[in-house]
Amino acid sequence: GQNIDQPTEMTATEGAIVQINCTYQTSGFNGLFWYQQHAGEAPTFLSYNVLDGLEEKGRFSSFLSRSKGYSYLLLKELQMKDSASYLCAVRAGGYQKVTFGTGTKLQVIP
Amino acid sequence: DTGVSQDPRHKITKRGQNVTFRCDPISEHNRLYWYRQTLGQGPEFLTYFQNEAQLEKSRLLSDRFSAERPKGSFSTLEIQRTEQGDSAMYLCASRPGHDNEQFFGPGTRLTVL
Repeated sequence: GQNIDQPTEMTATEGAIVQINCTYQTSGFNGLFWYQQHAGEAPTFLSYNVLDGLEEKGRFSSFLSRSKGYSYLLLKELQMKDSASYLCAVRAGGYQKVTFGTGTKLQVIP
Repeated sequence: DTGVSQDPRHKITKRGQNVTFRCDPISEHNRLYWYRQTLGQGPEFLTYFQNEAQLEKSRLLSDRFSAERPKGSFSTLEIQRTEQGDSAMYLCASRPGHDNEQFFGPGTRLTVL
């Protein structure tokens, strides 16, 4: 099976930078995803990492270290609309199944 | 709207009844997933289709759950003899074969009384 750990809640200030960490244990790693989910809405895709390193997309960046089983999502220039849950998810083996963590609820305060 | 659609959006049923949900993926997406999500948890994988073939199914899925994608387009998820523990949001997602991004539908919220 797969184990995915991420903090339950975080609070950050508007305009600041926040880093949301995710650690995982799995065999046959085949990609890590980050999704954003606003309350009462469906998840929306943010990023996909399969190789080590940093992927940048606008205000959002995602980093992966496969040897450490570690990823983080970096959100810059935080806006109030960034208040949401951020879900880390892993795909492993030769399978299409994606296993999600429980999510990190981010609250952005003025 | 050319996104993933699900029907119904809400379903209230009594314990023991059967329910069926429908998912219409984005038209050019041949990969389709079903997930279940409860409050405070991430989506839990249920099953995966590539075209009309059901290639993966969660071991957590009891035999009361069945899913089909008969023509490789829309999909249905049926739950027989519903239990209160089946109350959850049922999410459908699709993606094309050449891309890893899954597009989620709005979900069907099931309440079993």
